[in-house]
Amino acid sequence: SQQGEEDPQALSIQEGENATMNCSYKTSINNLQWYRQNSGRGLVHLILIRSNEREKHSGRLRVTLDTSKKSSSLLITASRAADTASYFCATRQNYGGATNKLIFGTGTLLAVQP
Amino acid sequence: KAGVTQTPRYLIKTRGQQVTLSCSPISGHRSVSWYQQTPGQGLQFLFEYFSETQRNKGNFPGRFSGRQFSNSRSEMNVSTLELGDSALYLCASRKDGTPYEQYFGPGTRLTVT
Repeated sequence: SQQGEEDPQALSIQEGENATMNCSYKTSINNLQWYRQNSGRGLVHLILIRSNEREKHSGRLRVTLDTSKKSSSLLITASRAADTASYFCATRQNYGGATNKLIFGTGTLLAVQP
Repeated sequence: KAGVTQTPRYLIKTRGQQVTLSCSPISGHRSVSWYQQTPGQGLQFLFEYFSETQRNKGNFPGRFSGRQFSNSRSEMNVSTLELGDSALYLCASRKDGTPYEQYFGPGTRLTVT
């Protein structure tokens, strides 16, 4: 399967704590993106990191990328109950052609307890 | 600006029937992709359209087909439905020139009985 792996599969934390989830992928990539999905709804794009970047910040989100290990991590700081959702990494493979095909990871289900 | 819309939101069909799902991308977006999400297989790419042309296709049987119209709206069709086709079908659009983030619709929940 081309699908990436994420761990943990599920994570439960208290409000105010930090949440870290990891993603591993299998092939050379052009960029890696993180998406959030609230309970069976559509996905919302959170952040994109290009293959030549190592770290990126957006608000309470921090993403790192290690292309040598084919892995990425998403850190959510000072979590809130509203952050409760599933989080997916997605990679756009480096075909060298014009395609937007994304390969998604298996997802991490984050529960933030108030 | 309106987001990606998908219709219908929920659908119940019987095995052997066919179904057509619709997706209207964000105005100005010419690229539309479809994904299937199931508990067992996760999120899987179905196909991608750009300016009415299929640009990429995932590893799904020929029962799954799609098309895109001149106004960028897209439809996907599944013929001879099987129980395993029960899933959340997500449509996403992307604007040319943006760094590849996609905007997803709320999905169509298809249940095959």
